[in-house]
Amino acid sequence: DAGITQSPRYKITETGRQVTLMCHQTWSHSYMFWYRQDLGHGLRLIYYSAAADITDKGEVPDGYVVSRSKTENFPLTLESATRSQTSVYFCASSESGGAYEQYFGPGTRLTVT
Amino acid sequence: GQNIDQPTEMTATEGAIVQINCTYQTSGFNGLFWYQQHAGEAPTFLSYNVLDGLEEKGRFSSFLSRSKGYSYLLLKELQMKDSASYLCAVRDPGTYKYIFGTGTRLKVLA
Repeated sequence: DAGITQSPRYKITETGRQVTLMCHQTWSHSYMFWYRQDLGHGLRLIYYSAAADITDKGEVPDGYVVSRSKTENFPLTLESATRSQTSVYFCASSESGGAYEQYFGPGTRLTVT
Repeated sequence: GQNIDQPTEMTATEGAIVQINCTYQTSGFNGLFWYQQHAGEAPTFLSYNVLDGLEEKGRFSSFLSRSKGYSYLLLKELQMKDSASYLCAVRDPGTYKYIFGTGTRLKVLA
């Protein structure tokens, strides 16, 4: 299906485990973004990517790793999950940076126990 | 640094008009976005302002004053389905980092 998808939609993991959240878009958008959303903080940017093999840190990158080998995929890895990373994670894509709107995926609700 | 302020919560009546304010403090300016987010769902784009003035789009309008670091979203003829959070966001100049406000939760009452 066309659009932007995330998997899994829900995930429970234990402290210290590695977790990868997947994001896939079918529009060939150049820009992709990862956000986390927590009560009281709103959406905070973790990492973004301007194109394949180009990534940059956002506001809260510590504890996360990203890669972008293909334009359509932008996985987010928590190398050693901590309870503070319990959150809802949204992936987004944009045709270009700047004036273009972002299209958000449905989100992944991650719980770290 | 960047900072965005929005009221936490607002309540309005079906059929009424509501104005949601957003103030920002940034080292530069590259446009302001408004998104709508229903509970448990992803944000969806509503509007983008880069120049001063009012942009109208159906029942929704967005206003920007760059000199005052101020924007508002105006919702007319409120409907129950407008109950949602409204997020204000700006782009960090020189980068593609977007800064979002914490959002305003709007409750529309019958």
